[in-house]
Amino acid sequence: AQSVSQHNHHVILSEAASLELGCNYSYGGTVNLFWYVQYPGQHLQLLLKYFSGDPLVKGIKGFEAEFIKSKFSFNLRKPSVQWSDTAEYFCAVIPGKSTFGDGTTLTVKP
Amino acid sequence: DVKVTQSSRYLVKRTGEKVFLECVQDMDHENMFWYRQDPGLGLRLIYFSYDVKMKEKGDIPEGYSVSREKKERFSLILESASTNQTSMYLCASSYRGQPQHFGDGTRLSIL
Repeated sequence: AQSVSQHNHHVILSEAASLELGCNYSYGGTVNLFWYVQYPGQHLQLLLKYFSGDPLVKGIKGFEAEFIKSKFSFNLRKPSVQWSDTAEYFCAVIPGKSTFGDGTTLTVKP
Repeated sequence: DVKVTQSSRYLVKRTGEKVFLECVQDMDHENMFWYRQDPGLGLRLIYFSYDVKMKEKGDIPEGYSVSREKKERFSLILESASTNQTSMYLCASSYRGQPQHFGDGTRLSIL
């Protein structure tokens, strides 16, 4: 069965620090990959997606992610985080049943 | 903009009760999903549906059933609620292979 692993459960950063959240998946075929964000008290929303083509994808609010097929990874990055990025971040993979990682809680200190 | 509406934000029920959680989407999406979200466990798929009257079990279907009589509506049913079903329940919808759109969630407490 396919699975998604997010390596960091809780990350604490100061404003302006760089961010990288790890995501690895286990599935041998073609995948669609997603990062979602859930701000406190809000619903999950899409941050960015990868279907095919350029493995470096850009999303909203300055986030980007790189798909490395050989490593089955889709890590999320942001060069300089802001206090407003405090949220929970989920990596997800399709096809078949959608599968989400356990989530990473990011706390950004002002 | 896609709207996924869950009938209740907060719900309190008693053990043994039959509980219905309703979800409606307004984008004619084929796929609809029910998840539960628990701290440290992420989102776990309970059931999903890829068409009217079609359903498939997710990772944790035990104690739950679903109904999809119309394309826009996907109901989650707790046949006999138990305290370990206290959780946040999320509904989502999507076109096949596309990103999911989520509702605001229902925080269900079983006493």
